[in-house]
Amino acid sequence: EVQVVESGGGLVQPGGSLRLSCAASGFTLSSYWMTWVRQAPGKGLEWVANIKEVGGEKYYVDSAKGRFTISRDNAKNSLYLQMNSLRAEDTAVYYCVRGQSYFRVWGQGTLVIVSS
Amino acid sequence: DIQMTQSPSSLSASVGDRVTITCRASQSIGASLNWYQQKVGKAPKLLIHIASNLESGVPSRFSGSGSGTDFALTIDSLQPEDFATYYCQQYYSIPRTFGQGTKVEI
Repeated sequence: EVQVVESGGGLVQPGGSLRLSCAASGFTLSSYWMTWVRQAPGKGLEWVANIKEVGGEKYYVDSAKGRFTISRDNAKNSLYLQMNSLRAEDTAVYYCVRGQSYFRVWGQGTLVIVSS
Repeated sequence: DIQMTQSPSSLSASVGDRVTITCRASQSIGASLNWYQQKVGKAPKLLIHIASNLESGVPSRFSGSGSGTDFALTIDSLQPEDFATYYCQQYYSIPRTFGQGTKVEI
């Protein structure tokens, strides 16, 4: 079964850091761009970042530039999102998603709450 | 960034109704447009890609149309399981952007 499973969410204070992980199974991670999408409570979907099949190219939404880093370890079938200098407005469910243009495979999401 | 504007933001409908949701891009995006369905507490599900291509397993009552800046998602004969929030998304450029969502409720 093709799936992705996120982990690493939780409660963090403003200014803190968190590293999200995404474990992929049922497909060859190195064959796909991967993306992080987030959804603030009761709000819509926001594309956060993506990364090319074999690292290299990475892109970020403006609000994440300089604070978030997307990375991957294809040998471990894993995708990551390092989030630093977290703000209240980063509070959201973060989804790991396969693809770069259209998103067929989504995880269940991991909740990040930034609050003191 | 390309702005995606959906209308309406919400609508009330009944089982059997024909429903149309529109999505307008702030600039031409060709056919680089996808539609998703999201139910409460669940991840989004891809319904249509490249503006009008129905995903495998998605009922044929869903259809997509449009190109350039104006797009539409139509649901013929609304079913109980179709009550959800629908999002459009462009992939013409980075950053990818979503519409604000359209909630379809009874």
